[in-house]
Amino acid sequence: EIVMTQSPVTLSVSPGESATLSCRASQSFSSNYLAWYQQKPGQAPRLLIYGASTRATDIPARFSGSGSGAEFTLTISSLQSEDFAVYYCQQYHNWPRTFGQGTKVEIK
Amino acid sequence: EAQLLQSGGGLVQPGGSLRLSCAASGFTFSSHTMTWVRQAPGKGLEWVSSVSGSGGITYYADSVKGRFTISRDNSENTLFLQMNNLRAEDTAVYYCAKGGWTHAFDIWGQGTMVTVSS
Repeated sequence: EIVMTQSPVTLSVSPGESATLSCRASQSFSSNYLAWYQQKPGQAPRLLIYGASTRATDIPARFSGSGSGAEFTLTISSLQSEDFAVYYCQQYHNWPRTFGQGTKVEIK
Repeated sequence: EAQLLQSGGGLVQPGGSLRLSCAASGFTFSSHTMTWVRQAPGKGLEWVSSVSGSGGITYYADSVKGRFTISRDNSENTLFLQMNNLRAEDTAVYYCAKGGWTHAFDIWGQGTMVTVSS
């Protein structure tokens, strides 16, 4: 099983600033089958990034993904009020599919 | 517009059974792997099970293997999760999602709560 570890657990950011979220896999995978999701309270998750760096449909350009192998990053530039949420990374390279534990981005 | 509409869920006693449904619309259902993901109260996301487009290949998390069965009816564009021998630790919001093979989960249902308690 590939264990996904996200850091930090909580990130306090002021609106307009940028945020960098990290996701590390317990083993490297060459497919870059890595996704990022955003979840707000009481809502289903929403796909932001797939293939490590491709934005999903209708996702603003301020969201960007990067990385390969076992280290991945989600960057949110110029945070808007609607971006404060929990973010999860997830690998779909191996079974079982696994998620990171999440990073909560909160208002500073 | 692609959509997933979930039904089922509710309160069940330990050892009981429940069946969740997920009706798809707006995309070619039979062409896509479908998946169930759950989220215990206050916790993160946990992948539960996936089924191939044809229904012939299934995968399960170890935590549910032998108790849960994923299936689909491509003639009705509906995904199912039959949950047997339910335990307190199965208490969660269950989401259906499109994708899971070589694709991320790009469409999600609204979620349905399953509570296992006496």
